[in-house]
Amino acid sequence: QKEVEQDPGPLSVPEGAIVSLNCTYSNSAFQYFMWYRQYSRKGPELLMYTYSSGNKEDGRFTAQVDKSSKYISLFIRDSQPSDSATYLCAMSAFGTSYGKLTFGQGTILTVHP
Amino acid sequence: NAGVMQNPRHLVRRRGQEARLRCSPMKGHSHVYWYRQLPEEGLKFMVYLQKENIIDESGMPKERFSAEFPKEGPSILRIQQVVRGDSAAYFCASSPQYGTGSYEQYFGPGTRLTVT
Repeated sequence: QKEVEQDPGPLSVPEGAIVSLNCTYSNSAFQYFMWYRQYSRKGPELLMYTYSSGNKEDGRFTAQVDKSSKYISLFIRDSQPSDSATYLCAMSAFGTSYGKLTFGQGTILTVHP
Repeated sequence: NAGVMQNPRHLVRRRGQEARLRCSPMKGHSHVYWYRQLPEEGLKFMVYLQKENIIDESGMPKERFSAEFPKEGPSILRIQQVVRGDSAAYFCASSPQYGTGSYEQYFGPGTRLTVT
């Protein structure tokens, strides 16, 4: 069983839709949660990071963490064609594993006009 | 503020040759991470380095792969005697501080290695 599971999609939505991207994890040691966006043949771009359970909002993006269920989500409001990319969740644990990010396999999102 | 820089962006090597990938972290960052992205797979952690120190190399293959981050100059990921299975995108990331800042990693554009 993978430590981090992410539905690879692909996910196709019309412009203006609300997008929900999700990851589940099995390792209770994960305490930090990140979302990255990766355009084709580019490096991942850090979108949001959070530590606490609950919601964190940044513009059109909301990250949600539920540690009791080992489940994290990223919501994109008013989606735009420029949001079309692969979205990666990533997680990190305390202690000596701080620097080691464990990624989901990524969800491919297409927002069509 | 320049981002993480990697070179070369594309590298072609024949089987058995050596590949050297370079990474310059963001200004002010002293921690470097290397990840590998194989086709149809997610990003996999390889190694975490500080200047002149390897902090965590738990993701590095046991043979042929090595990494360094010298006091001066870029971090180098070295792959000796490359095989076709080494063909992948190799990404470098850097972070601003140790401890809780290590999860705030910023990635470079990657080096795409092709082994023929």
